Parts: sequence; structure tokens; C-alpha cells
Amino acid sequence: QQQVKQSPQSLIVQKGGISIINCAYENTAFDYFPWYQQFPGKGPALLIAIRPDVSEKKEGRFTISFNKSAKQFSLHIMDSQPGDSATYFCAASKDTGFQKLVFGTGTRLLVSP
Amino acid sequence: EADIYQTPRYLVIGTGKKITLECSQTMGHDKMYWYQQDPGMELHLIHYSYGVNSTEKGDLSSESTVSRIRTEHFPLTLESARPSHTSQYLCASSEYSGDARGYTFGSGTRLTVV
Repeated sequence: QQQVKQSPQSLIVQKGGISIINCAYENTAFDYFPWYQQFPGKGPALLIAIRPDVSEKKEGRFTISFNKSAKQFSLHIMDSQPGDSATYFCAASKDTGFQKLVFGTGTRLLVSP
Repeated sequence: EADIYQTPRYLVIGTGKKITLECSQTMGHDKMYWYQQDPGMELHLIHYSYGVNSTEKGDLSSESTVSRIRTEHFPLTLESARPSHTSQYLCASSEYSGDARGYTFGSGTRLTVV
């Protein structure tokens, strides 16, 4: 049972374009939604995270949009660069006790020059 | 500098050998995790720990075992390696702290069993 569904599995975007990766979750108790970026040969690294009390969070070219009623959140990469080519994972967790992160299945992003 | 270290980075080993993958963190995090990442990217949780002397099995069944004798150290052991164990193994740690609930991952160990 996949609690966090991520799409697309792969994405090709031209340099300067907008990359959009979507995630949907089932559990309404989730209240922390991070995105991770993974380069080949490295472990995932926290990129940006959002709590459900806001609908959008922006850090540089990276923006999380959050739709609580639809139980969806997405990562937007503005002005995509070849250096953004990586695998991106969304995740979610609950704020009670020791709640492990539930990861999406990942999206391979390729930004063409 | 606070970080999480995994050794070795790459390991090629014969079938039947016993191996231990090392993971150490300098952040004082209580919680630590082992993930297996297949070529299809997906992260599968195989073990986790709440703290010293605590170990739990994850969502994906694994023939490996772990121990947590010290806060900073969370090694993973395979008693008898098989080709089906070939994969990338990622160690991570975390500390619940308000919005800072993110995981810090190591760079991984790529294991090949021949």
C-alpha cells in the first residue's frame, strides 16, 4: 500500500523551463511534507519542506505548493538548470510520537541544455 | 562538521561471506535508519532504531541484522551474502525538533555480491 503516490516517474525539461513533480497522500494525519534531492552516487538530501498550515513555500527557484483539501502537494522548479538533473523524492510524516517518513517512489528529472 | 558517514562506499564480495556495513553520525541523533535502494530508485526501509539498544524491522523484509550499542553507531550485518543482496544501502538519522524533522542521509554503500 503506497501511502504517498508520486508522479511522474521521469521527466525531461528544457533548460529554463518549469519542472513540476506531484505527490498525493492518503493519511490526513500527515503534517510534515519534505522533498529530497538525490544525485547519482549520493544519498538523498533535504531540499525543502512544508507544513499544512501554509499553501506555498518558496526557497530560491524551488517552490512547494500544498492543497490540503485535495491531499496533494507538488514541487515546482523554476528556471530549471542542467545542475537540477537528479532524482526527487517527496515524503510525509505525522507529528505524534516517533513517526517515520513515508517516501514517494521518486522522479528522475533530466534538464536538457 | 556534523555529518553521517558510511563505509565502505563500494564493496564487491563473494557469495557466503559475512559483511558489515558501517554507519556513524556525529549529530547526536537518537533515530537512525537503514534503507535499501533498488535500481528503480525506490527507498525501502529495512531497519530503524529509536535509540541505544533499540532496533526494529522496517517495511521491507531483510535477511540483514543491525545493532545499536552506541548512539552514533548503527552497523548492518549480513551473515551470508547472496547475489540477491546486491543493492545500494543508505543509512540515515533524524531528530524530532519541530519543523526540523528531516532525515540526514549518508552517501551509501553500493554492495555487489558475486
